[in-house]
Order: sequence, then structure tokens, then C-alpha cells
Amino acid sequence: DTAVSQTPKYLVTQMGNDKSIKCEQNLGHDTMYWYKQDSKKFLKIMFSYNNKELIINETVPNRFSPKSPDKAHLNLHINSLELGDSAVYFCASSQRTGRISYNSPLHFGNGTRLTVT
Amino acid sequence: QKEVEQDPGPLSVPEGAIVSLNCTYSNSAFQYFMWYRQYSRKGPELLMYTYSSGNKEDGRFTAQVDKSSKYISLFIRDSQPSDSATYLCAMSGGGFKTIFGAGTRLFVKA
Repeated sequence: DTAVSQTPKYLVTQMGNDKSIKCEQNLGHDTMYWYKQDSKKFLKIMFSYNNKELIINETVPNRFSPKSPDKAHLNLHINSLELGDSAVYFCASSQRTGRISYNSPLHFGNGTRLTVT
Repeated sequence: QKEVEQDPGPLSVPEGAIVSLNCTYSNSAFQYFMWYRQYSRKGPELLMYTYSSGNKEDGRFTAQVDKSSKYISLFIRDSQPSDSATYLCAMSGGGFKTIFGAGTRLFVKA
């Protein structure tokens, strides 16, 4: 029943490891996002895919690689994890709509809390 | 200067108080304004969504946008302990990028 679901909910790993986070949405939206929320609750966009095409790629280290196999799924793979990667990663989705073509508000998953030790 | 400024608080009020939360912004291209509520260990959920200037009311919540001052507000009437959360303002120009404020932590004491 969950609209935007992410797995895993918690991820604890050591520096240098590679890990993946998965996201799925059942809202029929055509755009999906990865946001990073730091310890001060500041939400910052990382990537966005529209109809499986990468359209936003903020200044994120290339150790982070998103992949969208279809419109309903967006995964995030992180190589060589660093201490500074510890944060909560949120997946979100929206729909491009309207005659003048604007994006609907974002719908978020409940986040993946990544801790790198 | 950040594109969106929001006082992180915390803001502590007694139950039943009227709460006023605010954000200022610098980008005049923003046309869509949102307020999200985020409970601990949960994702942000959309509370209010407005286009351009004006007021919008939904139950105990009222959102105001003043584009001439680049200032948006969220008012919560008759605040309840269940309103205790972090409130994030967000805005966009209609494109794919939504910019968030830092979030204000609100505590409503019973």
C-alpha cells in the first residue's frame, strides 16, 4: 500500500564498502529523485530521473551512481563509502503534468539511514 | 546566501497556541510553494501546496505567500502535541528542482 518504498530502512557499514539502496513507487509518477538529509535536517537534491532519463545530477561525487531500470524504480549505488556519506537518503517521486507542464509536489519515502563506521 | 532561509528553531509552544512558521527566499522565479511536515524517522509529507501569491486554508493550517516580499508563512491554529514535528518549506519554479529550507523543529507541550 506504501506509495514510495525504500529498502533497506537502516544500513550500517564500514568505510570502503560498496552498498545499494532501492526505491519503488506505485503512484504512476514519471519522475523520481534522490535527496540527502544531513544531521541538521537539511534536504539536498542529488539526482532526478524523468522517464528513465537522468535530468538532474548535482555536484555529487561520482562514487554515487543512480540507476533507473523503469519509471517505477530508482536505485542508488555507492562505492567506496566514506564517513561523510553518513546521512538519511530519501527517495521521492512526482508527476510532470499540466498544460504549462509543471511538476507536482514531491512524495517521499521514509528514508534509508546510512551509517558508515 | 542560501536560496531559501528558514529558522531551524526549536520553537516550543503550549497546546492551543497559534504557531507561525516562516521562510524567506531570494529567487524570484519560484512560483510553487509547499510546506512539508516531517516526524522523527519518517519522510517529509506534504501539508500545503500553493501557487503564486495568496492564502490557502486547510483545516487548522493556513499557508500565505507574499511574492513581493519573497516571504511565505504557515500558521497552525489550536496547536496539538501531535503537531510536534519538523516543518520544511519548499519551493520551485515549476521545473524538476525543489529547494528546501532547513526546517523548523516545533514542540507543542500538553
